[in-house]
Amino acid sequence: EAGVAQSPRYKIIEKRQSVAFWCNPISGHATLYWYQQILGQGPKLLIQFQNNGVVDDSQLPKDRFSAERLKGVDSTLKIQPAKLEDSAVYLCASARGTRGTDTQYFGPGTRLTVL
Amino acid sequence: GNSVTQMEGPVTLSEEAFLTINCTYTATGYPSLFWYVQYPGEGLQLLLKATKADDKGSNKGFEATYRKETTSFHLEKGSVQVSDSAVYFCALLEGNRDDKIIFGKGTRLHILP
Repeated sequence: EAGVAQSPRYKIIEKRQSVAFWCNPISGHATLYWYQQILGQGPKLLIQFQNNGVVDDSQLPKDRFSAERLKGVDSTLKIQPAKLEDSAVYLCASARGTRGTDTQYFGPGTRLTVL
Repeated sequence: GNSVTQMEGPVTLSEEAFLTINCTYTATGYPSLFWYVQYPGEGLQLLLKATKADDKGSNKGFEATYRKETTSFHLEKGSVQVSDSAVYFCALLEGNRDDKIIFGKGTRLHILP
């Protein structure tokens, strides 16, 4: 079974520019997560989807971050405009079920550098 | 709020040494506890988990026991290998409506041949 795919793997932008990340979860997985992992810290949940509905976006900075999961499959995360403190690895994960204890499978991440 | 505290790294050991990475947690309910591992150049993956007190999770020679009385979930391995070099994250999932995994800061482990 193919794993979680993310692209691009690396992105360098200047502050105030826009950027978008893409995630393709494991086929059939109902739940999709986006995490932000700042260097030296653990991943922090930004947003959680179940199918194409948002379950939790309480830690998403909605003034600049947006995410969607069209048709309950692929997802995109956008930052507009980017700030220096957005430099981090953005991780996508998916889980087959909708319970929090269902195993999450992580993609390789997108490393964003904001200059 | 809920939180996870794990020992700071990096931890450097020789091959075949005994490993302990400490993890303690703060939670208002009865969380599930996890250890995730991130090998160089790869994504996070679940190493083991325990969902209730006194449960022991185990995988690939690693073990961790859910200790409610000490709010701990220490990761142990009897004999480490060079291939165990990675970053290890302790995490908790609060067992209520807030189904969000809280991760520790991670501990980098280096195993010398």
